[in-house]
Amino acid sequence: KAGVTQTPRYLIKTRGQQVTLSCSPISGHRSVSWYQQTPGQGLQFLFEYFSETQRNKGNFPGRFSGRQFSNSRSEMNVSTLELGDSALYLCASRPNAGSNEQFFGPGTRLTVL
Amino acid sequence: AQSVTQLGSHVSVSEGALVLLRCNYSSSVPPYLFWYVQYPNQGLQLLLKYTSAATLVKGINGFEAEFKKSETSFHLTKPSAHMSDAAEYFCAVSDKGGSEKLVFGKGMKLTVNP
Repeated sequence: KAGVTQTPRYLIKTRGQQVTLSCSPISGHRSVSWYQQTPGQGLQFLFEYFSETQRNKGNFPGRFSGRQFSNSRSEMNVSTLELGDSALYLCASRPNAGSNEQFFGPGTRLTVL
Repeated sequence: AQSVTQLGSHVSVSEGALVLLRCNYSSSVPPYLFWYVQYPNQGLQLLLKYTSAATLVKGINGFEAEFKKSETSFHLTKPSAHMSDAAEYFCAVSDKGGSEKLVFGKGMKLTVNP
């Protein structure tokens, strides 16, 4: 089975722009979570989607949003980028919302200049 | 609120030596605990998880961890370090049977010296 895939792997943007990151979960997995990893704050939960519905949200500003499609693929969007948004964005999938094991993708490295 | 503490940010061991990475948790409900490893430029890989079935949990690559409720700890150990173990290790906690978000510790970078 193919693992979690994330595109693009690397991205460079400038302040004020917006960006969309994509995540394809493992086949058959219906839950997708997003995490932000920075040297200062570590790994922080952004949100989780299950069956196209957001079921949980972390403590991030409204500039961070996401969605999930009927095929379970997910996208996250960050608008009005700030320098502090530079981070590794990790996507994780699991079969359903009750599963206790999450499978992580390789991440998208976002650099904001 | 749940939290995980990994004291320190870096540990260095010699090849063949014992690896001990400490993790203490705080949770108002029975926790589900996880150890993940991250190699450079990669995502997180699950090493092992505690789901209340057994206090001593064996994982991949020879790692194991023991859940000690009295000490609120879930330390990760490996009897003999290998060069390939050099990576960053994260302890994480979740509740509601592990179905909720993961709350991670700050991580511990392990260096293995020849």
